[in-house]
Amino acid sequence: AQRVTQPEKLLSVFKGAPVELKCNYSYSGSPELFWYVQYSRQRLQLLLRHISRESIKGFTADLNKGETSFHLKKPFAQEEDSAMYYCALLSNSGGSNYKLTFGKGTLLTVNP
Amino acid sequence: DTGVSQNPRHKITKRGQNVTFRCDPISEHNRLYWYRQTLGQGPEFLTYFQNEAQLEKSRLLSDRFSAERPKGSFSTLEIQRTEQGDSAMYLCASSLGRTSGRETQYFGPGTRLLVL
Repeated sequence: AQRVTQPEKLLSVFKGAPVELKCNYSYSGSPELFWYVQYSRQRLQLLLRHISRESIKGFTADLNKGETSFHLKKPFAQEEDSAMYYCALLSNSGGSNYKLTFGKGTLLTVNP
Repeated sequence: DTGVSQNPRHKITKRGQNVTFRCDPISEHNRLYWYRQTLGQGPEFLTYFQNEAQLEKSRLLSDRFSAERPKGSFSTLEIQRTEQGDSAMYLCASSLGRTSGRETQYFGPGTRLLVL
């Protein structure tokens, strides 16, 4: 069974400091991983996905299959980055199911 | 707003009552998902539709829960004989149905259920 672990429930940094939100996964197949973000009073939205290898709002995440990790990083945090971040794994069992398995989330607070 | 919409946004009910939630996906999205989120947890998968066909149901979905997607458009999630443990945020998501890897699930605002 697939599992996503986000070891930190809360993470607090100062503006301008680097930030890293940790995510580890367990999955027997070829993983597809995502970071979703939920800003205050807004709906859950996709931040980035590993396949695209893109940087969104200054955030990047690299899939490390050896360590089964997909940590989210940003070199200089901004106050508007304060939000709940969820790591998610897409399981595709035989092409008939595309459910996401989410971690419990990390609440990031960026202090001025 | 052309995003996923859900109604109602909030529902308070007494234990034992039935409730029904509605989800309207983004038009032309052929996949629709229901998730449940309880306090301190990430969303948990409940069920999934490809057009009108319900293809997967989680073990979380007891026989008191039923979901439909008639005509492959909007979907309803009904909970019969609600229990206090059903109190949660119920999230709906939809996706276009492309090849995995370029598949983005777009989430609705959720329906928050409180069972007294």
